[in-house]
Amino acid sequence: QEQLQQWGPSLVKPLETLSLTCVFNGGSFRNYYWNWFRQPPERGLEWIGEVTHAGRANFNPSLQSRVTISVDASKSQVSLTLTSVTAADTALYYCARGRPRVRGIDYWGQGTLVTVSS
Amino acid sequence: QTVVTQEPSLTVSPGGTVTLTCASSSGAVTSALFPNWLQLRPGQPPRTLIYSTTYKLSWTPARFSGSLLGGRAALILSGVQPEDEADYYCLLFHGGAWVFGGGTKLTVL
Repeated sequence: QEQLQQWGPSLVKPLETLSLTCVFNGGSFRNYYWNWFRQPPERGLEWIGEVTHAGRANFNPSLQSRVTISVDASKSQVSLTLTSVTAADTALYYCARGRPRVRGIDYWGQGTLVTVSS
Repeated sequence: QTVVTQEPSLTVSPGGTVTLTCASSSGAVTSALFPNWLQLRPGQPPRTLIYSTTYKLSWTPARFSGSLLGGRAALILSGVQPEDEADYYCLLFHGGAWVFGGGTKLTVL
């Protein structure tokens, strides 16, 4: 059964770094795109960025200066770091798998609610 | 910056048919933008129903279909069920970046 499981702290202090990790189980990690999305409270969804299994990344221009997405293909893991967080970064964060060529987002992680607060 | 527009809300009767659309400020939506349609229910992660305009996933109910309609991407629900009440988001791949629509709140009444 293919599935994504994600984890990370639920509370981050302002101006610190948010870090989340996602592992893919039950299938191949190679040849896919690995995405991060988020949904702030009472707002719509936003794409953060994507990375291939080889580490080639692509980011939302509005977040690019603060985002790193990395992969550990040996563990089928993808990680997100977002620096200098503010209250505006409070959101449900999701990892998701993207199919190459047809660009389909198929499997989603369960979501992690991250609150930025002192 | 491309803006993707969806109907904010729609209401449909059980058993009816409804079409949700997705427009781009950059021009006509084509298959080259790889439209995806997601369903979002409270307390659950997003569930992708349609990708690359028309393709379904193994879990997509047969009553959902995707197409292009008048320069927009469209999600058509035929024979709507009460459990289809949810928020629906379209997602377009513009210039190497994914851009979301604002979402459509579908009410089944």
